[in-house]
Amino acid sequence: QLVESGGDLVQPGGSLRLSCAASGFSVSNNYMSWVRQAPGKGLEWVSVIYGDGTTYYADSAKGRFTISRDTSKNTLTLQMDSLRVEDTAVYYCARESSNWSLDCWGPGTLVTVSS
Amino acid sequence: QSVLTQPPSVSAAPGQGVTISCTGSNSNIGAPYDVHWYRHLPGTAPKLVIYGNSNRPSGVPDRFSGSKSGASASLAITGLLAEDEADYYCQSYDGSHVVFGGGTKLTVL
Repeated sequence: QLVESGGDLVQPGGSLRLSCAASGFSVSNNYMSWVRQAPGKGLEWVSVIYGDGTTYYADSAKGRFTISRDTSKNTLTLQMDSLRVEDTAVYYCARESSNWSLDCWGPGTLVTVSS
Repeated sequence: QSVLTQPPSVSAAPGQGVTISCTGSNSNIGAPYDVHWYRHLPGTAPKLVIYGNSNRPSGVPDRFSGSKSGASASLAITGLLAEDEADYYCQSYDGSHVVFGGGTKLTVL
């Protein structure tokens, strides 16, 4: 099970830290992704962290977002800086299986970037 | 602009069937990486309905089936029920991260 938290209303240029608490499996032994859905848009992959710590980011997130994990709390995090209006979305964390399907999702947390 | 291409919408009457296409490239579906399909109602967690091109997770009815050929894939739903109305997304992999289709809104008339 995955449960996200940390979504909020923030002004453009601000920062926000999202968390995703996992239960029933270890985030450190799995590929973990963040996916978002902006209002009226489709699903968009944001970032992934592999079991060995390798990270990748969508072009829209590079240089502004940082994915990490806290093994002691079994939690995935997404630090979002320099937020833009277009970052407004529901953010989901998800576990990637061995064939890169996303087999476990959280219910999502809403991030609103607005002045 | 999504990496994978899906039709924006499909519709059919209850009891009928629909097919949703998903077209990629030699960098993803044609690489060949597997295709997976999700059912999504906004505000809820997406649900995996087909994985590994044609496999159904436990609990997904056999009215749902998937296929793949070359750099394209399809999701077929037969015997449509009102509860099947949702957005459906295909997903694959491009060598470093997952990629999605733009989503298809299924309307059950």
